[in-house]
Amino acid sequence: DVKVTQSSRYLVKRTGEKVFLECVQDMDHENMFWYRQDPGLGLRLIYFSYDVKMKEKGDIPEGYSVSREKKERFSLILESASTNQTSMYLCASRPGTVSYEQYFGPGTRLTVT
Amino acid sequence: ELKVEQNPLFLSMQEGKNYTIYCNYSTTSDRLYWYRQDPGKSLESLFVLLSNGAVKQEGRLMASLDTKARLSTLHITAAVHDLSATYFCAVESGGSNYKLTFGKGTLLTVNP
Repeated sequence: DVKVTQSSRYLVKRTGEKVFLECVQDMDHENMFWYRQDPGLGLRLIYFSYDVKMKEKGDIPEGYSVSREKKERFSLILESASTNQTSMYLCASRPGTVSYEQYFGPGTRLTVT
Repeated sequence: ELKVEQNPLFLSMQEGKNYTIYCNYSTTSDRLYWYRQDPGKSLESLFVLLSNGAVKQEGRLMASLDTKARLSTLHITAAVHDLSATYFCAVESGGSNYKLTFGKGTLLTVNP
């Protein structure tokens, strides 16, 4: 069974703090993704990575950065958290070409106060 | 820019009835995905549709894809309460980066 885990289910941070959200997958997948989910807006792609140290911006990268130093781990960084970054964050991974499915982690609900 | 439109966004059904959720998208794509999300949970993959005319069925759910019309449908047959959830369609962009663009989701409530 593919497993995608995220470091926290719930997180509360203060405005201006630096926030790290971690995602780990155990299936040697090349591709990893970070989405945010907001009511009425669906899921929107923040960043994705198709290999170690490789990253590409998604649709809403402003205010975020990412890091992928090892294949199994993809980190989302909020350099200076703001209240409009309060959201549910979902990580996903996917193999290169063998399978078409994206596997999602359980999500991190981040509240910035 | 790829746009994905789902409708309806809210659907309240009675048990035993049939209904269809529609997913339209704006640019050519050959891959379309349907996901289910229960409250407070992550996304669960339901169907992956890979080519024009693809039809897949699992239990009371059937998904189809018409790439010429840029339309996918998720048909619910004889709904039961356990199908209550939010359903998302997602379309894969061209190229090899596997980027998905999601619709806003359809909140389905099945009432006894």
